[in-house]
Amino acid sequence: LAKTTQPISMDSYEGQEVNITCSHNNIATNDYITWYQQFPSQGPRFIIQGYKTKVTNEVASLFIPADRKSSTLSLPRVSLSDTAVYYCLVGPTYSSASKIIFGSGTRLSIRP
Amino acid sequence: DVKVTQSSRYLVKRTGEKVFLECVQDMDHENMFWYRQDPGLGLRLIYFSYDVKMKEKGDIPEGYSVSREKKERFSLILESASTNQTSMYLCASSLQSREAFFGQGTRLTVV
Repeated sequence: LAKTTQPISMDSYEGQEVNITCSHNNIATNDYITWYQQFPSQGPRFIIQGYKTKVTNEVASLFIPADRKSSTLSLPRVSLSDTAVYYCLVGPTYSSASKIIFGSGTRLSIRP
Repeated sequence: DVKVTQSSRYLVKRTGEKVFLECVQDMDHENMFWYRQDPGLGLRLIYFSYDVKMKEKGDIPEGYSVSREKKERFSLILESASTNQTSMYLCASSLQSREAFFGQGTRLTVV
């Protein structure tokens, strides 16, 4: 499984766009990039997943450059409720018997 | 609505007790996982199962065992609970290795 590196923490303000970047230099050809969000005392929740270029859903956008060695989770116009830990994961998605390994995550704090 | 249910939200056990944490999913998922989460250490994978009766060790399997007799149920067993196993335990399931769905967690305290 490819190792991921992301900032330990980030701060921002309500209404701002927040970009969290994840490095995964050893990503394999069949690996996907997945982001989860976790609030205190809850399990992580899936946010978005992608393989290349750009993916957008109602919550976030995921930007993946052509070399796929990094990815950026973009949260538009954050609010206080976006304060959480965000995890970047890399691994084969359409594969049985494959572990899902979480790194340390990025603790995002949103201020009024 | 997808659901992963853990048998207890809070649990207090004594040192040396055998402890069973149960997890049930209703999505017919192949893969099920047990994690523990401690402050500053993130989520660490204890065991995962990719089919009935099939299991693989995660990063921290010592002191734990698992059982998957039916597809929907994955049990984590602490053979002899110790105080260093006090933690939040999270169960998850996924179809292959796509989006994982998590239970609400069990906060276990071993005294």
